[in-house]
Amino acid sequence: EAQVTQNPRYLITVTGKKLTVTCSQNMNHEYMSWYRQDPGLGLRQIYYSMNVEVTDKGDVPEGYKVSRKEKRNFPLILESPSPNQTSLYFCASSFLGTGEAFFGQGTRLTVV
Amino acid sequence: QKEVEQDPGPLSVPEGAIVSLNCTYSNSAFQYFMWYRQYSRKGPELLMYTYSSGNKEDGRFTAQVDKSSKYISLFIRDSQPSDSATYLCAMMPNNDMRFGAGTRLTVKP
Repeated sequence: EAQVTQNPRYLITVTGKKLTVTCSQNMNHEYMSWYRQDPGLGLRQIYYSMNVEVTDKGDVPEGYKVSRKEKRNFPLILESPSPNQTSLYFCASSFLGTGEAFFGQGTRLTVV
Repeated sequence: QKEVEQDPGPLSVPEGAIVSLNCTYSNSAFQYFMWYRQYSRKGPELLMYTYSSGNKEDGRFTAQVDKSSKYISLFIRDSQPSDSATYLCAMMPNNDMRFGAGTRLTVKP
C-alpha cells in the first residue's frame, strides 16, 4: 500500500530536549517536505527536499533541521524544542513537478 | 497580504445543498491548483487537481480556476454528511505548494 508513515503520532516533551520525528515513504517520490499546521494559519512549509542530499528552507525553518540521506526517509529534528513549536506536523511526498502530494497521518507535538 | 487567502468558515449546510468553497491568490506564477480534504485527526488527501484555467469535474465535485481573477473554487453538489471535513486549497508554481488556511465544512443530515 502506498503510504507516508510518520512516527510518533503523539509526543509530549520538555523545553530543550532534542527530538526527532521520522518520516518514510514507499512511493519512490523525489520530493519530500515537512509542514506544521496551526489554527487559522493553515499548513506552513518548514523544510523540503528535492532529492537525496538536497534540502532547502521553507517558510518557517527556524528551530528545525532535516536530513535526506536516503530517498525514502526525511526526518525532522528539533535540537532544542520550545513551547512555540507546539503544533501538528505533517510530512508529505510527491513526484517532482506534481501537485499530488501524499501526507502522513500527522504528529501532534506538545512542548512544555 | 497572504499569498493564498481562504475563508476559514466554519460553514454549515443541510444535506443535499450545493457547497461553494473559494480561494484567492496573489502570485501570478501559480499554475497548478489543488483542493485537499482533511478529516479530523487525519492528514490531507488530494481531492481535485487542475492545471491552469478552466473547469474539472469528478462526480459531485467541480473545480474551477480563473487565472485572470486569481480565483479558484470548489463546488460540491448534493452534499452528504460524509463531506464534513476541512477543505484546503493549494497551489504552486513548480514544486513548492502554498496552502490556504482551510475551510471547515459541516453537512447536517
